[in-house]
Amino acid sequence: DAGVIQSPRHEVTEMGQEVTLRCKPISGHDYLFWYRQTMMRGLELLIYFNNNVPIDDSGMPEDRFSAKMPNASFSTLKIQPSEPRDSAVYFCASSRNGFNQPQHFGDGTRLSIL
Amino acid sequence: KNQVEQSPQSLIILEGKNCTLQCNYTVSPFSNLRWYKQDTGRGPVSLTIMTFSENTKSNGRYTATLDADTKQSSLHITASQLSDSASYICVVSELTGGGNKLTFGTGTQLKVEL
Repeated sequence: DAGVIQSPRHEVTEMGQEVTLRCKPISGHDYLFWYRQTMMRGLELLIYFNNNVPIDDSGMPEDRFSAKMPNASFSTLKIQPSEPRDSAVYFCASSRNGFNQPQHFGDGTRLSIL
Repeated sequence: KNQVEQSPQSLIILEGKNCTLQCNYTVSPFSNLRWYKQDTGRGPVSLTIMTFSENTKSNGRYTATLDADTKQSSLHITASQLSDSASYICVVSELTGGGNKLTFGTGTQLKVEL
């Protein structure tokens, strides 16, 4: 079975530009999570969805960040406008039947804002 | 403030040896504790999830223990292999009135050498 698929794997852009990260969860999984990982702060949960509905977005750092899940097989995380401090690896994960079930992570998008 | 502290920060062992990683937490109310393995450049992979009532859980050569009274967990790796070289992250889930919250440790970087 295919795992969680994220795109792009790498993104380099200039500050002020809009950045869109994409995620395809594992088929049949009803929870989807977006994380950010940096050397300074480690892993942070940004937002999670259940059945395409955002449940908790308290980890989203600023209004510049937004996430959508238009259907069960696709989610986006958008940063507009981007800033250098947004540089990080962004992970998407999915799980089946509950927040506390094992989460399956994608390999992340490495984002560099110049 | 809820915290998860891992020790040691880094560790080097010889192939075939055993090792134990520690995780102490102050998260309350406790829901569950998770151990993840993260290879360089990859997303985290779930090793174990333990609830309050579970003292030990194994996944192959990985055995996690939990003492909910002292708020301590350990991850024991038996007969280490070169492929065990990775970062090991402890994550504690808190169940609040507002839903589930995760607190992340900063990880233990393990290197297994010949």
